[in-house]
Amino acid sequence: AQSVSQHNHHVILSEAASLELGCNYSYGGTVNLFWYVQYPGQHLQLLLKYFSGDPLVKGIKGFEAEFIKSKFSFNLRKPSVQWSDTAEYFCAVISTSGTYKYIFGTGTRLKVLA
Amino acid sequence: GAGVSQSPSNKVTEKGKDVELRCDPISGHTALYWYRQSLGQGLEFLIYFQGNSAPDKSGLPSDRFSAERTGGSVSTLTIQRTQQEDSAVYLCASSLGGRAGPETQYFGPGTRLLVL
Repeated sequence: AQSVSQHNHHVILSEAASLELGCNYSYGGTVNLFWYVQYPGQHLQLLLKYFSGDPLVKGIKGFEAEFIKSKFSFNLRKPSVQWSDTAEYFCAVISTSGTYKYIFGTGTRLKVLA
Repeated sequence: GAGVSQSPSNKVTEKGKDVELRCDPISGHTALYWYRQSLGQGLEFLIYFQGNSAPDKSGLPSDRFSAERTGGSVSTLTIQRTQQEDSAVYLCASSLGGRAGPETQYFGPGTRLLVL
């Protein structure tokens, strides 16, 4: 069965620190990958996605993620976080072979200290 | 509308009562999804609609849960005889639909359900 693991449940950083959030998935076939963000009091918003092509994907607000197929990973990175990045981050996977439902990780709560 | 809307935003109910949660997808989106976000559980898939039909109900946790979609637009998720473990945020998402393969899903703000 498909599954997604986010290893860091809570991360606390100071402003300007670099961020890397881990995401590993379990699935033998071809997948599409997403990172969603949920800011306090707001709904889930798409941060970035990988469907095909360049495995290094750039998203909004300076975020990027790299798809490493051999490691079944899609880690999220940002070189310098801001206080406004405080949010919960969700990795999601969807199979390309006829399914349509996201399999989500359990999320990582990021708190950035000003 | 501009985005997915859900109502009510919050619902408090007593154990054993029925509740109805509503989702209004983005105009023109034929695919609609319900997810549940429970504390410590992440987001779990409940049901998927393509148009008015539901090809996949596999995520519904029990027969107390049902959903329908009429006119290819608004969907209602009904929970009968609510239990305390039903307390969660219920999220709706929509996507363009109508084509093979996965698509980006757009999420609503959710309905926070508390069963006392």
